[in-house]
Amino acid sequence: AQSVTQLGSHVSVSEGALVLLRCNYSSSVPPYLFWYVQYPNQGLQLLLKYTTGATLVKGINGFEAEFKKSETSFHLTKPSAHMSDAAEYFCAVTSYSSASKIIFGSGTRLSIRP
Amino acid sequence: GAVVSQHPSRVICKSGTSVKIECRSLDFQATTMFWYRQFPKKSLMLMATSNEGSKATYEQGVEKDKFLINHASLTLSTLTVTSAHPEDSSFYICSASPGWTGSNTEAFFGQGTRLTVV
Repeated sequence: AQSVTQLGSHVSVSEGALVLLRCNYSSSVPPYLFWYVQYPNQGLQLLLKYTTGATLVKGINGFEAEFKKSETSFHLTKPSAHMSDAAEYFCAVTSYSSASKIIFGSGTRLSIRP
Repeated sequence: GAVVSQHPSRVICKSGTSVKIECRSLDFQATTMFWYRQFPKKSLMLMATSNEGSKATYEQGVEKDKFLINHASLTLSTLTVTSAHPEDSSFYICSASPGWTGSNTEAFFGQGTRLTVV
């Protein structure tokens, strides 16, 4: 079985500050990990994903995440927050054999203060 | 990336009626489609997995007679909410997978459908 835990349902940072959204996973098989962003009343947009290879993954809009197996973590970061980053962020997990059946975390709402 | 179109984006229906939501993969063949439900300020809950030409597999706690899923072709899956009640009001999102495995594993999401039952 697989699961994802996102620490902090709401994170607020100042514009220009570092963004850090935390995600820990549980998986009995090698995980594939994703971060998605959702704007109000819209679907999901893939920010980045980790499957194999390099553990530091760069995505769109300046976001990146690092897969740390020893810590079972996949935290999302961005060096400098922008007002347009305000949205809901979901960490998600699947595996090689799951045929894209993706399990989502509870989500973290990111607010940006001017 | 691949495009998944979900229709309608918003629907309001009367209690007791049925509503059909369509999910189409526009530029690829989707061997598998997934239906999720999202409650306000909550995460996405997987409802069911549908494979083209076979019966959908429902997650525990999801009423299969309430939420009818049909995956009749490689580009279309439909979710019908039967005898809708106000508690069925929610945001429904589909995703489609071309069946890649390995490092190409990915699912593409529709824009979602906001269902309001009055």
